[in-house]
Formats: sequence, C-alpha cells, structure tokens
Amino acid sequence: RKEVEQDPGPFNVPEGATVAFNCTYSNSASQSFFWYRQDCRKEPKLLMSVYSSGNEDGRFTAQLNRASQYISLLIRDSKLSDSATYLCVSDSGNTPLVFGKGTRLSVIA
Amino acid sequence: GAVVSQHPSWVICKSGTSVKIECRSLDFQATTMFWYRQFPKQSLMLMATSNEGSKATYEQGVEKDKFLINHASLTLSTLTVTSAHPEDSSFYICSARGRVYEQYFGPGTRLTVT
Repeated sequence: RKEVEQDPGPFNVPEGATVAFNCTYSNSASQSFFWYRQDCRKEPKLLMSVYSSGNEDGRFTAQLNRASQYISLLIRDSKLSDSATYLCVSDSGNTPLVFGKGTRLSVIA
Repeated sequence: GAVVSQHPSWVICKSGTSVKIECRSLDFQATTMFWYRQFPKQSLMLMATSNEGSKATYEQGVEKDKFLINHASLTLSTLTVTSAHPEDSSFYICSARGRVYEQYFGPGTRLTVT
C-alpha cells in the first residue's frame, strides 16, 4: 500500500467552479502535511502547509482529519491559472517527505 | 518563500561524460537537501538525502557510484551524474529543508544525454 494516495484525475472543471481533492495517508506518525502545485515541466511549488486541523489562504482551503487519515484541498472560484498537478505530501519529521503521485486539474474556459 | 537555485537549468551531454548539477539555498541554511528525478508524466522519485558534512543516503535502486552527491556546506549540494547514458536523461530536481520542516524545490535541471 502506498503511503500517500491521491486520485490521479484529471479533474476537468469550468472556470468559477469549486473543486476538492482528497488524499489519504497510511503512516499515523506523519506530523505535518503539505500541498504542492507542479506545472508541466516545472518544479513543485509549496502551496499550503497543513499543521493542525486545517487552514485557509484566499481561495484555497486545506483540511486535515487525523482520525480518518486524510487531507483535502478545496479550491473555490477556479481560475484558468489553477490548472496544474497538485501533490499531497506527508512529513514524519526526520524522514524525507512522502509525495503522492499528484492529481491533475484542468480548468476550462 | 525560501529560494533554492539550481544550475545549470538544462544540459546536453554526450554518452559517457559526467555532468555536475549544483543546488544552492539562497536565503536559509539547509540542514538537509534532497535529490529527485522525474521522468515525463511520472511522479517525483527521491534519489537520495544528504545532510551537510555526512554521506548521502541513497534510495533503493539508485547507484551511489553513478550519482555522486556532495553536501559540503549548509547552502550547497552537488549531484554528479558519472558516465551518463541516454537512459539517465531526465528532470533532476533538488530541494532543501531548513530548521522548519517546509521543503523548497530548486527549478530543476533538464538533462539530455545523446
């Protein structure tokens, strides 16, 4: 079983839509979580850190449910520029980050 | 966020030659640096973890004699691909972690071996 699992998508949504991605993790020792965004042929860029139950940053809301071991990312009012692959990441502290394979999002005009 | 640079951004080399890629943390001290490889349309694959002043820890299946990693200072790590072959052509990305557990990526190096 993979440590971090994500639906690979693609999610094709119209501009202005709200879209949510879920991610599950298997290592109960994971302490922190992150969402990264990766554009085609570019490096991953940190989108949000999720340390407690969740946090919000503008149109983006991340939530963490430790009991069920899942993290979600909600994007409201989708823009064309939100099209990318979103990587769910868990961190156990002293080991390398564990990346999910990513969820592809395409926002369509 | 923190800035990590990588050089070169792209390189083309002939089979059998060696290529060195540099990764620098520009505004923070990176206690740990990571090297990843990513093939087209595939996910990131961790190659090795390096801590300043100590030997790198390689992931299973990654040849340490082929991919030489040196982490000489808290702001610089290098990856040398020795005796490169066409199957080594890939996107190599480094990342750095400071005191906080957030990890920042360099812009990547696209290696093409002909």
